[in-house]
Amino acid sequence: EADIYQTPRYLVIGTGKKITLECSQTMGHDKMYWYQQDPGMELHLIHYSYGVNSTEKGDLSSESTVSRIRTEHFPLTLESARPSHTSQYLCASRQANNEKLFFGSGTQLSVL
Amino acid sequence: SQELEQSPQSLIVQEGKNLTINCTSSKTLYGLYWYKQKYGEGLIFLMMLQKGGEEKSHEKITAKLDEKKQQSSLHITASQPSHAGIYLCGAVLSGSARQLTFGSGTQLTVLP
Repeated sequence: EADIYQTPRYLVIGTGKKITLECSQTMGHDKMYWYQQDPGMELHLIHYSYGVNSTEKGDLSSESTVSRIRTEHFPLTLESARPSHTSQYLCASRQANNEKLFFGSGTQLSVL
Repeated sequence: SQELEQSPQSLIVQEGKNLTINCTSSKTLYGLYWYKQKYGEGLIFLMMLQKGGEEKSHEKITAKLDEKKQQSSLHITASQPSHAGIYLCGAVLSGSARQLTFGSGTQLTVLP
């Protein structure tokens, strides 16, 4: 079993609210990722990090931001949520020399 | 167009039947990963293939990577309701800096 955790599992919020999706892993992985996935659609990489204080935007433009202050923690923040942000957000991590990704259980976000 | 094409998009089979899911790319696949996802949850790693012609099996699931390393298939023998879910292939494509690119998934339903 992967030791990567996401909270909350489900979140329903109103438009304009600020939210932070949490992701933590206890495997000591340097590389961490955030994907966005709509039902029946492919995963889109929105952010990634190769280590502490390193963050990059992914292939899909996103209004969210991330931080990487500690190796094990990679939170994603939306300053002002909108209905278009409704989606599933998946966090993943891997070792530096291995492409195999370990995924969290995801956060299903609904913005009303 | 997607760099990784999965087919079919969805599949409904009767319990006990065999089935095959395909993952194809026009680029060389340097690492091919199969994951399974239950609706609204994270991805669970199934198998990884690296060498052309490689084949791996786990319980009733067999994955193959063709000799040219541009196509992979996932075969399930005597399907069961527990096999239901979304199957995604992910691959390291040439020029991708060892990041995984994912297909859009195949939704499998197994009727009891």
